[in-house]
Amino acid sequence: QVQLQESGPGLVKPSETLALTCTVSGGSISSGSYYWSWIRQPAEKGLEWIGRIYPSGSTNYNPSLKSRVTISVDTSKNQFSLKLSSVTAADTAVYYCAGVGVNWAFDYWGQGTLVTVSS
Amino acid sequence: DIQMTQSPSSLSASVGDRVTMTCRASQGISNYLAWYQQRLGKVPKLLIYAASTLQSGVPSRFSGSGSGTDFTLTITSLQPEDVATYYCQKYDSAPLTFGGGTKVEIK
Repeated sequence: QVQLQESGPGLVKPSETLALTCTVSGGSISSGSYYWSWIRQPAEKGLEWIGRIYPSGSTNYNPSLKSRVTISVDTSKNQFSLKLSSVTAADTAVYYCAGVGVNWAFDYWGQGTLVTVSS
Repeated sequence: DIQMTQSPSSLSASVGDRVTMTCRASQGISNYLAWYQQRLGKVPKLLIYAASTLQSGVPSRFSGSGSGTDFTLTITSLQPEDVATYYCQKYDSAPLTFGGGTKVEIK
């Protein structure tokens, strides 16, 4: 059973870079043609897709965040990471990492990690 | 980019009621549509993929239909444990947009 776990600072200062890592266990991050994503959810709001990465390193990003987002993968560590630059209070949210299964929908989710942007 | 619009934004129904919610894509997405359930404070859970295929372990009272631009999630007999927010999501191509959600409550 594939499991995902987010890690990283829970507090980031405005204008700095948010950095999170997702560790995949119970399966290889390089399996098949599946991709891995970051999704966020501000308090009391809906889900927002941030971007995805394939094991090859190919990425796609949400156009609204594209200028500030970088997603990378480290297949040797079975991890993928998110960097979001120039953060503001509007970036305060629970950040989830997620992976697709054979059905191409988000079958696997991390528990989510709350990141607060505040000085 | 394709927008996903869910309606209603919230609904209240009695236990045992049939509940229907809709998701509309601003352009056709074939059947590349998933539905997720998110209970309060919990991680989203995949219910349906390919617009109408029930994920393993999901109760059969949930069903999905639609193709192209218009999709529906139906709960045939609402149960107390179905109180949650339901999200649709397109996955035909990036960006993989979510709808705004439909919050389901018990009357």
